[in-house]
Amino acid sequence: QSALTQPASVSGSPGQSITISCTGISSDVGVYTYVSWYQQHPGKAPKLMTYDVNKRPSGVSDRFSGSKSGNTASLTISGLQAEDEADYYCSSFTRGIRVFGGGTKLTVL
Amino acid sequence: QVQLVQSGTEVKKPGASVKVSCKASGYTFRSYGISWVRQAPGQGLEWMGWISPYDGDTKYPQNLQDRVTLTTDTSTGTAYMELRSLRSEDTAQYYCARDWGSYADYWGQGTLVAVTS
Repeated sequence: QSALTQPASVSGSPGQSITISCTGISSDVGVYTYVSWYQQHPGKAPKLMTYDVNKRPSGVSDRFSGSKSGNTASLTISGLQAEDEADYYCSSFTRGIRVFGGGTKLTVL
Repeated sequence: QVQLVQSGTEVKKPGASVKVSCKASGYTFRSYGISWVRQAPGQGLEWMGWISPYDGDTKYPQNLQDRVTLTTDTSTGTAYMELRSLRSEDTAQYYCARDWGSYADYWGQGTLVAVTS
């Protein structure tokens, strides 16, 4: 499966909302595709932010929300904070194969 | 608490092999899959494969399936990733992660593998 496509960068001011898109999600009939999003700060391991499209692990702020329409998944971050500045990666899991997007650098202005 | 602790930095010559370990604790090792993910300097995440400690089932991406082998030792709760025929492009940070399939929720601290002549 090909890598998923994300914008290289997005930016926003504190308190604003931003959305990162992820296209190329498999939408084969009869096959369920799992979508998750990961946050990565420089020099750190990735951190799971959302999974099963719109669920959050315990401890992740409800400012982070996921959605999916057709072959595009999205991550929305509301009420931007300085600590949200990081790289974000989408990932799909279909038929035992995981694919990552190219990553999006979020800058908080 | 769930922890994945990886082995230390490796420096290898082109053509050599490397084997990185990932010791799991804080959960039932056989109950969750393990994925391996690498990240070249300044680049994005690349999935290298998945293994089920329960039955040894493995999945690999096409571009790496001839060079990578994933194994586990259920007696010690340790997963291993071996990469053969190393080239300079394999220089990267290598991560293991507990992977349900629907998501990878716990990650190791990363292991730097440097391939240099």
